[in-house]
Amino acid sequence: AQRVTQPEKLLSVFKGAPVELKCNYSYSGSPELFWYVQYSRQRLQLLLRHISRESIKGFTADLNKGETSFHLKKPFAQEEDSAMYYCALTGSARQLTFGSGTQLTVLP
Amino acid sequence: EAGVAQSPRYKIIEKRQSVAFWCNPISGHATLYWYQQILGQGPKLLIQFQNNGVVDDSQLPKDRFSAERLKGVDSTLKIQPAKLEDSAVYLCASSLNSVSNEQFFGPGTRLTVL
Repeated sequence: AQRVTQPEKLLSVFKGAPVELKCNYSYSGSPELFWYVQYSRQRLQLLLRHISRESIKGFTADLNKGETSFHLKKPFAQEEDSAMYYCALTGSARQLTFGSGTQLTVLP
Repeated sequence: EAGVAQSPRYKIIEKRQSVAFWCNPISGHATLYWYQQILGQGPKLLIQFQNNGVVDDSQLPKDRFSAERLKGVDSTLKIQPAKLEDSAVYLCASSLNSVSNEQFFGPGTRLTVL
């Protein structure tokens, strides 16, 4: 069975501070990991995926297979980063399993 | 580019009533998904279609939920009869095919069962 755990339901940081949203997963094979984001009054949308190894809006995430983690990081948070963030994975069945989400608030 | 469309956006019904949701995916997307998102949780997959065939419906409560995608484009999800615990946001998503992992989500339908 595949499982995604986001231990923080709420996270608040000040503008300009570093931010890290935690994600741990459980999967016996080789998963593909994603971060989805939902801004206020907008649709759920893909932020980044681990296979792309790219930085989107200043966010990066590294897959750590030893720790089964895929934490999302940004060195300097901006107010417009305030949103709900979901970590998700797919396995061989190619179906997304989502974590319960972390609400990030960036304070001015 | 038009995104995934869903209707209605909100629905309030009483328990034991029936309800149906509609989804129109992005043009050309072969794979369509229905998710249930209960308050405070992440989306949970209910059913996945590839064109007009069901790929996975293992998490669909088949005693009360049904879904179809007859012509391989639009899809409907029905609940009959509804229970209080069905109160949730129902999300539709589509992707180019089952190999592509980028799913595009609709705005969702918020269902309240009283």
